[in-house]
Amino acid sequence: AQSVTQPDIHITVSEGASLELRCNYSYGATPYLFWYVQSPGQGLQLLLKYFSGDTLVQGIKGFEAEFKRSQSSFNLRKPSVHWSDAAEYFCAVGDSGYALNFGKGTSLLVTP
Amino acid sequence: DSGVTQTPKHLITATGQRVTLRCSPRSGDLSVYWYQQSLDQGLQFLIQYYNGEERAKGNILERFSAQQFPDLHSELNLSSLELGDSALYFCASSVGLAGPSYEQYFGPGTRLTVT
Repeated sequence: AQSVTQPDIHITVSEGASLELRCNYSYGATPYLFWYVQSPGQGLQLLLKYFSGDTLVQGIKGFEAEFKRSQSSFNLRKPSVHWSDAAEYFCAVGDSGYALNFGKGTSLLVTP
Repeated sequence: DSGVTQTPKHLITATGQRVTLRCSPRSGDLSVYWYQQSLDQGLQFLIQYYNGEERAKGNILERFSAQQFPDLHSELNLSSLELGDSALYFCASSVGLAGPSYEQYFGPGTRLTVT
């Protein structure tokens, strides 16, 4: 069965610092991988996705993620964090045509 | 704005009652998914419809049911409500089922509070 682990429940970074949010998945084949962001009281917004091909994918708001099959990871990165990036981030894995399995989420706090 | 709409935004009701949550997918999307988000369980998949037909079920209680109508909007019916049903309920939609058409776009959610 598919599963997703986000090892960090909370992360605090200073504004302007770089960010990496970790995501590990368990899946037999090459999965579809997604990162979503949820601001307080809001729905989930798709940041980026990986289906196949280039293992480094670019998303919205300056985010990128790298698929590493050997490590079963799909970590999210941003070179310079802005205060508006404070939110909950969810990694998800999916199989074609079916529902997504989400991690528990990582809460990002950005300090001045 | 994802293009997925959900109504109502908030719902407060008493235990034992029944409620209906409504979702309109993005224009052209054929697949609708319902998810429940709670503090203890996180984001859990409930049920999926594709072009009017039920396609997959997740952790959906027997007290809950859903349907997708010919105009592709969907409704989630929750009955005999319990305090533990209080949660944020999301609807998501996708164009299709394979590759990039499988991207799921989420609505703003309906916050259900059972008192």
